[in-house]
Amino acid sequence: TQLLEQSPQFLSIQEGENLTVYCNSSSVFSSLQWYRQEPGEGPVLLVTVVTGGEVKKLKRLTFQFGDARKDSSLHITAAQTGDTGLYLCAGSLYNTDKLIFGTGTRLQVFP
Amino acid sequence: DSGVTQTPKHLITATGQRVTLRCSPRSGDLSVYWYQQSLDQGLQFLIQYYNGEERAKGNILERFSAQQFPDLHSELNLSSLELGDSALYFCASSGGAYNEQFFGPGTRLTVL
Repeated sequence: TQLLEQSPQFLSIQEGENLTVYCNSSSVFSSLQWYRQEPGEGPVLLVTVVTGGEVKKLKRLTFQFGDARKDSSLHITAAQTGDTGLYLCAGSLYNTDKLIFGTGTRLQVFP
Repeated sequence: DSGVTQTPKHLITATGQRVTLRCSPRSGDLSVYWYQQSLDQGLQFLIQYYNGEERAKGNILERFSAQQFPDLHSELNLSSLELGDSALYFCASSGGAYNEQFFGPGTRLTVL
């Protein structure tokens, strides 16, 4: 059973466009993280959100944690070719230190 | 550079063989996690060790085993290899307040 579903699965856009990736679950998480993975490399942590309703901004990336702590979104403004990669959300369940990884969104940004 | 190291970077072997993948966590991290990632797939959690003890198990086959040594480095042993075991294997360590994980560069295993 996949606890974290991401949508869309694939996204192909032109440089300069905006996009949003969604991460949804029926489970409640104590915190949620977003990672980006480039081909042949390990995932790299982008952000951790820990409070329901929290919004974090990192330059052109905006992350939001749902009020009920069951979902999250990643919005990229004015995408660049360097944003290309696999985006993974990962949730931490209460009373466990195991992360549940989402199904992933593969983003391709064309010049 | 995440501070997590993995060796080897690439491994090519034949079906039926046994291999060992090695991981050194970031300095000070006590937890080590192993993941498998097949082509165009997400990350599949295999197993977690914390300070030398097995902490959690995921979808790890009986042909696979792991251990964490007193110096905290970890090894993942894969035996009786099959073609379907070809994948990227990642190790991660964590130590943050919210269990943030830091991944190594991975070992690409090819079984011929």
